[in-house]
Order: sequence, then C-alpha cells, then structure tokens
Amino acid sequence: GAGVSQSPSNKVTEKGKDVELRCDPISGHTALYWYRQSLGQGLEFLIYFQGNSAPDKSGLPSDRFSAERTGGSVSTLTIQRTQQEDSAVYLCASSLGQGLAGYTFGSGTRLTVV
Amino acid sequence: AQSVAQPEDQVNVAEGNPLTVKCTYSVSGNPYLFWYVQYPNRGLQFLLKYITGDNLVKGSYGFEAEFNKSQTSFHLKKPSALVSDSALYFCAVGGYSTLTFGKGTMLLVSP
Repeated sequence: GAGVSQSPSNKVTEKGKDVELRCDPISGHTALYWYRQSLGQGLEFLIYFQGNSAPDKSGLPSDRFSAERTGGSVSTLTIQRTQQEDSAVYLCASSLGQGLAGYTFGSGTRLTVV
Repeated sequence: AQSVAQPEDQVNVAEGNPLTVKCTYSVSGNPYLFWYVQYPNRGLQFLLKYITGDNLVKGSYGFEAEFNKSQTSFHLKKPSALVSDSALYFCAVGGYSTLTFGKGTMLLVSP
C-alpha cells in the first residue's frame, strides 16, 4: 500500500481481556517495528522484525506481550490479560532494509484499558 | 547502548522568529541521527537525517539540523517559524537496525 496501515485506530478494552493490534507495512519493506508511546515517555521500542523473524524483541515489557509477522508483511501485536498500564498509543513503522533508511510510521492504535 | 536527550519539554516561539529544538546524543561509533515530527492524532513523519557528510542537513518544510560532533548535539532549526509548525518533535539516534527516540519536545508557535 501507499503507507503503513494500522487497525483498529482506537480500541477500548476491559482489564484482563486480550487484544490484537494489526500493522500492514509498505509493500516491499522488509523491516517492521513496533513502538509504544505513552504520555511523557516518548517512544518505547518493543520489537523489530526482519522478514518474518524477530532479531530484537528486547523491548517487550512482559510475557503478556507477543508479536508475529507472516509472509514478510502483516504483523500482529497481541497483549494478553491487559492491564491499565498498557494504555498507550502503539505505533508501527516499516523501512526498506535496515533502520538507517529511516522509518515510515503508521497513525497508531490508541489502546485504552478500563 | 545508545541514547538521546531532548532537554526541553516545550519550546515557545513567535511566528516569524527563528526556532531551535535541542537534541544531544550518546552512541558508540558513528552516529546516525534523525528528526521526526508528530501532528495531533497522527504518526511520526520523517523530517531529516544525518548519516555522513556535511554537518548542516536540510530537510522537509524548511527545517535544518546541525551536527556537532564535539558537543554530541543535533539541534533542529528553522529561520522563520510558522504557526503550522506547532507539533511534537522527536530526535532519534540509529543503530544498525533500530532507532532510539528522545521523549519529544512540543513546539508552540504563536501568531
């Protein structure tokens, strides 16, 4: 597609429920990244995919967080048993090759856990 | 480990005046530096990057940034601010695969 597409744009969920966030990168971009943006915290790195593998998942905050990428394209970030501190904007980005090429970001998914 | 500091949470400037948004970095090896801008309810948009070459980098919307190796800084500048420049600005430093972002600086340009 023309840009990075994320869905849903907004998600309100009850504490303890599981949520799935989807990212559709730019066609041909081999690298895909997930970041979390919380108020006053800047952008927190979560996980990086090169193709379908994740060479760096060091930013995932707990084992409730997981992500996968299939077909070198779409990625899903799953948060199990959501907690209120998971409330944030989840941003996905993709790039052609390595990160030095610069990222193209999606508009994000605003997750609110009530 | 790499890190970025944006010492100002907010910068206020009058329209038509020059603006500077500060960024300092820490990285082992050669730095790869980026600026991104975020408008309300939008993702981040790329402004400019420094990989190598001239210390003054020109980017989108009339912005430029000056790389200073001795001061480990990469300040964002614009000669004449516009109200429409009001947004959240992020500095980032790049490793081989991922970028580390600062906490962001809110720029408010008053008419």
